[in-house]
Amino acid sequence: GESVGLHLPTLSVQEGDNSIINCAYSNSASDYFIWYKQESGKGPQFIIDIRSNMDKRQGQRVTVLLNKTVKHLSLQIAATQPGDSAVYFCAENGGGFKTIFGAGTRLFVKA
Amino acid sequence: EAGVAQSPRYKIIEKRQSVAFWCNPISGHATLYWYQQILGQGPKLLIQFQNNGVVDDSQLPKDRFSAERLKGVDSTLKIQPAKLEDSAVYLCASSSTELAKNIQYFGAGTRLSVL
Repeated sequence: GESVGLHLPTLSVQEGDNSIINCAYSNSASDYFIWYKQESGKGPQFIIDIRSNMDKRQGQRVTVLLNKTVKHLSLQIAATQPGDSAVYFCAENGGGFKTIFGAGTRLFVKA
Repeated sequence: EAGVAQSPRYKIIEKRQSVAFWCNPISGHATLYWYQQILGQGPKLLIQFQNNGVVDDSQLPKDRFSAERLKGVDSTLKIQPAKLEDSAVYLCASSSTELAKNIQYFGAGTRLSVL
């Protein structure tokens, strides 16, 4: 069946370092992927998206990489800040605007 | 632009009682979603509306859960009767289908505790 998973449930990084959060997906028909950030007590918030016809997309301090060959997504956060501490979810859209979320990775930023 | 509004923020009930959650999506967003998020997990889609029609309710436990979006704007999600395993955060989200993207905007959620 369809599934979106994450390799690591928690990630701890030093402030100022770069963070890399990984995600695997299993539905090869998925054509659109989104990263969300969820802070404690809040709903998920959109960070960045990428379509399946791209392999890289950059935003402000964030980059998403897509490797369709191995069905892998990653979110890179440059110069990680304490405000980046949150749970990060990757999500895939396989058509019909149905979104499947992964379990999430908790990012801890050490000062 | 106002975000997605949900109420109440917290609810504590005993098992077998009933509960209802309310959601007001972003103005103009045709698609509305209800998710269940159990602690330590990602959101799980319960039901998806397009205007006032149901697009996907395949994971909605229909024996106890119901949802409606009568005028294609606000929506309510009801649980009757509640079970202990229904303890979770219930998230509402909305999206616009413009640009063929599905960026969802979430409310803060309702945290339900069933005792």
